[in-house]
Amino acid sequence: EVQLLESGGGLIQPGGSLRLSCAASGFTFNNYAMTWVRQAPGKGLEWVSTISGGGANTDYADSVKGRFTISRDNSKNTLYMQMNSLRVDDTAVYYCAKDSPKWDLLPIDHWGQGTLVTVSS
Amino acid sequence: ENVLTQSPGTLSLSPGERATLSCRASQSVSSNYLAWYQQKYGQAPRLLIYGASRRATGIPDRFSGSGSATDFTLTISRLEPEDFAVYYCQQYDKPPWTFGQGTKVEIK
Repeated sequence: EVQLLESGGGLIQPGGSLRLSCAASGFTFNNYAMTWVRQAPGKGLEWVSTISGGGANTDYADSVKGRFTISRDNSKNTLYMQMNSLRVDDTAVYYCAKDSPKWDLLPIDHWGQGTLVTVSS
Repeated sequence: ENVLTQSPGTLSLSPGERATLSCRASQSVSSNYLAWYQQKYGQAPRLLIYGASRRATGIPDRFSGSGSATDFTLTISRLEPEDFAVYYCQQYDKPPWTFGQGTKVEIK
């Protein structure tokens, strides 16, 4: 059974930094791209960033480019998101998601339960 | 980026009725790399449909997807009480992956 468990969310002041983690199990982690998607309170889903299975390729939404860094440790089956220069509009539930395998183009098929990041003074 | 526009914003229906949700893309989605997700309040999204028309594992056959290029549809043939939720379309053809703004299916 695929499991994705996020941690690291919390209340942070504007301009601050936070690191999110996502512990994955139930699948061969390094065979899959991984993605962060966020959802502001009462709003829709927003793709944030994706990293390839080996970690060499990354993509970011324009809204976070230059401030957020996605990474992964395949030896620990863990995905990360380093979030710097946080802004009030970064407030959201952040979901870790299992994305496409190396051998095909498929959508996100499993999501974690999310971790809430609140940016407020 | 490929902007996805869903309609209607809210659909008010009764259990047993048919629901038809639309997703229109600003650019053609090649190879029908279009997915649909269901999200219930306080829960993570769940994959329903991928490749525009393929049901994900464990999804009941009352859910079906159709369409191509820029126009896609999710149909729920007969609404069950557990189907009242928000539905999102997503394209995974070209980054950035984009989502529609969602359609809420509510009990009439």
